[in-house]
Amino acid sequence: EAGVVQSPRYKIIEKKQPVAFWCNPISGHNTLYWYRQNLGQGPELLIRYENEEAVDDSQLPKDRFSAERLKGVDSTLKIQPAELGDSAVYLCASSQGVQGAYEQYFGPGTRLTVT
Amino acid sequence: KQEVTQIPAALSVPEGENLVLNCSFTDSAIYNLQWFRQDPGKGLTSLLLIQSSQREQTSGRLNASLDKSSGRSTLYIAASQPGDSATYLCAVNSNSGYALNFGKGTSLLVTP
Repeated sequence: EAGVVQSPRYKIIEKKQPVAFWCNPISGHNTLYWYRQNLGQGPELLIRYENEEAVDDSQLPKDRFSAERLKGVDSTLKIQPAELGDSAVYLCASSQGVQGAYEQYFGPGTRLTVT
Repeated sequence: KQEVTQIPAALSVPEGENLVLNCSFTDSAIYNLQWFRQDPGKGLTSLLLIQSSQREQTSGRLNASLDKSSGRSTLYIAASQPGDSATYLCAVNSNSGYALNFGKGTSLLVTP
């Protein structure tokens, strides 16, 4: 069974440019998460989807970040415009079901560098 | 807000030693606790998941325990190997939300 797929793996952009990250969760997983991991820190949640609905986006900087989950499967996270402080690893995770007791599986992440 | 703390922040041991990594959390109302491994430049690999009703889980040389009432978990690694070198992250899934709250991790180095 394929794991969580993310692309690109690495991205280098100049500040003020836009950038997008893509995630394909494990087949059949209803819940999808985007986390951001700064250097030396644990990941922090940006947004959580249950099927196609964003049910927790309280930590998403909505002035520059946006996300969507088409048909409750793939998801895209966008930053526009990017700032130097956005440099981090962006991780996508998925879990089965919409309750909190399920194990979360993570993708390899996208390492973003903003210059 | 759930706070997760991991001690020690870094650990270096010779090959073959048994070792314990510690994780503490402030809110005992949790669904589960997961231990992850992260290799440099890589994503997170789930090692063990302990549900709130469980006391421990085992996988190979790894054993994780959970004491929900005291807000503590330990990850025990038996007979450590150089291939165990990585950062180990503890994450708690709280009743107040379904996202994981992570600690900062313990960076483990096992020397030959």
